Amino acid sequence: DGGITQSPKYLFRKEGQNVTLSCEQNLNHDAMYWYRQDPGQGLRLIYYSQIVNDFQKGDIAEGYSVSREKKESFPLTVTSAQKNPTAFYLCASGSEVGRAYNEQFFGPGTRLTVL
Amino acid sequence: AQSVTQLDSQVPVFEEAPVELRCNYSSSVSVYLFWYVQYPNQGLQLLLKYLSGSTLVESINGFEAEFNKSQTSFHLRKPSVHISDTAEYFCAVSEAGRGSTLGRLYFGRGTQLTVWP
Repeated sequence: DGGITQSPKYLFRKEGQNVTLSCEQNLNHDAMYWYRQDPGQGLRLIYYSQIVNDFQKGDIAEGYSVSREKKESFPLTVTSAQKNPTAFYLCASGSEVGRAYNEQFFGPGTRLTVL
Repeated sequence: AQSVTQLDSQVPVFEEAPVELRCNYSSSVSVYLFWYVQYPNQGLQLLLKYLSGSTLVESINGFEAEFNKSQTSFHLRKPSVHISDTAEYFCAVSEAGRGSTLGRLYFGRGTQLTVWP
């Protein structure tokens, strides 16, 4: 089955630790995205990548880092510099690059809790 | 910059009643419009989209939305809701002519629809 997988579903970390969230897609999409979701704030874009080995900052990139070494994978690292990392993180992919129409497909999400 | 406003954060309704979830956007260029639905602790699923052509678009489960360019709105409606429609609904837009940000989606803050028996 084609789709997007995110792991783990739930993640706990201590303050001061870096943690990496996994996102894999087998839809052969060029573009991938990371969003953060907090109650009442909708989805905010952290980073996005339109092609392998290239990525751009979104609206709230501070305290996060990404890599895009393979088309299928777009891992997100939440660093200790992120002041309030507890949130629900969603990964998405989209097939249209360089066009306004870009239907995005979402993974099931990872809920990160900082203890 | 693009902005999307969902005017109601919570909409409670009784089963079989009609419902409207409101969405307004601001943009100086042409846009594409989307509604996504999110069930608890899950990712988002596309409900319907407006790309071009008829301003009224429909989903397979009875929702519809109408693009109103003059009012910059894309309200979501359903004539009779079911308990299973309880979820959070997000309006999103993407705009043309923005170079490397083409295809980027801008989301509203979401509307929680709760259907009571």
